[in-house]
Amino acid sequence: GAGVSQSPSNKVTEKGKDVELRCDPISGHTALYWYRQSLGQGLEFLIYFQGNSAPDKSGLPSDRFSAERTGGSVSTLTIQRTQQEDSAVYLCASSSSGWDEQFFGPGTRLTVL
Amino acid sequence: GNSVTQMEGPVTLSEEAFLTINCTYTATGYPSLFWYVQYPGEGLQLLLKATKADDKGSNKGFEATYRKETTSFHLEKGSVQVSDSAVYFCALSTGGTSYGKLTFGQGTILTVHP
Repeated sequence: GAGVSQSPSNKVTEKGKDVELRCDPISGHTALYWYRQSLGQGLEFLIYFQGNSAPDKSGLPSDRFSAERTGGSVSTLTIQRTQQEDSAVYLCASSSSGWDEQFFGPGTRLTVL
Repeated sequence: GNSVTQMEGPVTLSEEAFLTINCTYTATGYPSLFWYVQYPGEGLQLLLKATKADDKGSNKGFEATYRKETTSFHLEKGSVQVSDSAVYFCALSTGGTSYGKLTFGQGTILTVHP
């Protein structure tokens, strides 16, 4: 595609529910990143994929958060048993290799009621 | 660990005014430095970057110089336009690894009035 796409653009859920956020990177980009943008914490790194492997998961805030990437393309970020503090904009970025410019998607705004 | 501190906003300027947004960093190794911009309703996009000391990044009239001695990467523009209204993020990524995980500052909201 022309750019990084994310879905849904907005998600409202109730506390305790599980949510899945999807990222479609730019075709051919091997590196994929997830970040979170929240009022209290700013923009934070969550996880990095190179192909289907995640060599750096250091930013995942708890074991309720997980992510996978299949076929070296689409990635899904899953948050189990959502909490109100999970409310944020979740951003995905991809790059052609680990060190090249990262292109960001429009984000998914998650609201946990 | 790595951190980025940038000038708190919001910053409000009149069109054609001079802009400076301060950014300082703490990092291990030799970071690359970036300014990202988020226009209203749009995704984050790279504005400019510098990968080593004394490099100057520039784009769209914006400039920033990598100052290792002061660990700074201040963003400047000589004459801002209404269309520059956006949120600006200073960021770094560190060398010595095989990928460019970004550490961001808190962001500075810039509003330019006609």
